[in-house]
Amino acid sequence: AQKVTQAQTEISVVEKEDVTLDCVYETRDTTYYLFWYKQPPSGELVFLIRRNSFDEQNEISGRYSWNFQKSTSSFNFTITASQVVDSAVYFCALSPYNQGGKLIFGQGTELSVKP
Amino acid sequence: GAGVSQSPSNKVTEKGKDVELRCDPISGHTALYWYRQSLGQGLEFLIYFQGNSAPDKSGLPSDRFSAERTGGSVSTLTIQRTQQEDSAVYLCASSLAHPGHGTEAFFGQGTRLTVV
Repeated sequence: AQKVTQAQTEISVVEKEDVTLDCVYETRDTTYYLFWYKQPPSGELVFLIRRNSFDEQNEISGRYSWNFQKSTSSFNFTITASQVVDSAVYFCALSPYNQGGKLIFGQGTELSVKP
Repeated sequence: GAGVSQSPSNKVTEKGKDVELRCDPISGHTALYWYRQSLGQGLEFLIYFQGNSAPDKSGLPSDRFSAERTGGSVSTLTIQRTQQEDSAVYLCASSLAHPGHGTEAFFGQGTRLTVV
């Protein structure tokens, strides 16, 4: 079965706090990609990052960082020094190589950053 | 256009009527996807097009749902005899290849469908 689980439905933090969004996935495929998307109130999904199954290097982009651990099937996303503009719903998604390109999404985590 | 364009942005229809939702992908993108986002169901895959053919229709919830793509570009999602449970935001996405090969998908802003 192919599945993505984002156990945190809602997270609320105060500005400047660090926050980690969890993502756990299931797949039998050995080749796949993982993605994070952001959905602000405007509704359009915005691509943040992709990671392939053979690359376990962590990545940092400004205040954003991602930790991919194949051993635990997790691809967690951390925002450092959160800002109000980070408030959005964040989706983790899995795309197995041989599944025609569809994205299998988690249920999303709604992040609220309060001033 | 610069991004994926969907129309209409909002649609209210009466139960039992047919609706058509349109998607204009980014020029040159061969892959096109339809997803549905509803409360409690998250984002569900509906159908995938590669060019004008649909190799994966596995997410279409019933035979009331159909989609086509013409000229390797514009796609239309049609829902016949709409039901209240069809109320959702319908999102279209396009990509150069498919995300299983690492290509990011670009999403439109969606069509919010309300069936009354």
